[in-house]
Amino acid sequence: SQQGEEDPQALSIQEGENATMNCSYKTSINNLQWYRQNSGRGLVHLILIRSNEREKHSGRLRVTLDTSKKSSSLLITASRAADTASYFCATDGNDYKLSFGAGTTVTVRA
Amino acid sequence: EAQVTQNPRYLITVTGKKLTVTCSQNMNHEYMSWYRQDPGLGLRQIYYSMNVEVTDKGDVPEGYKVSRKEKRNFPLILESPSPNQTSLYFCASSSDSYEKLFFGSGTQLSVL
Repeated sequence: SQQGEEDPQALSIQEGENATMNCSYKTSINNLQWYRQNSGRGLVHLILIRSNEREKHSGRLRVTLDTSKKSSSLLITASRAADTASYFCATDGNDYKLSFGAGTTVTVRA
Repeated sequence: EAQVTQNPRYLITVTGKKLTVTCSQNMNHEYMSWYRQDPGLGLRQIYYSMNVEVTDKGDVPEGYKVSRKEKRNFPLILESPSPNQTSLYFCASSSDSYEKLFFGSGTQLSVL
């Protein structure tokens, strides 16, 4: 069952700008994770935020989690060409499965 | 180096010809999983395994088999592939089903 849904589907920004994408989910979670995928390659884990956390930072990444709204956001600050990729949120449930959304495709223009 | 190794990277086959995609991890992870990725559909889970000899269906298990005889290996078997199984496949592992997943590089499968 696909639980997380990213928004927008695609995003195009200028180098140096910030990129924000959102993830909404339907049922209660233990953790929410964000992954990056470069063109057809394997996904790379970016950050995990637990249900009792509200915000987490990792380098230029900032993730927020609002369990009352069942939503999360990923902010990439001062974007670079290398940030061009697809970004996926993944949520767990009570069924030992990690469900991925369809992703947000981010293009950073030079 | 910690990694998940999938083989082959690319595979073209014909309908009905049995194939196996191998997956191996060197991190002593208990949890392993297979996903397929199709345009616009994100990643969908095929099968997962919580430990040796423990496997369970994901969201799209039809037409696939798996086995977990050793902790490090989790092969995906297509006994009679069909064109609708043309997809990009990923194997992943983690220390626990809710924790950070490590992904393989993917297998692009085309069934003609």
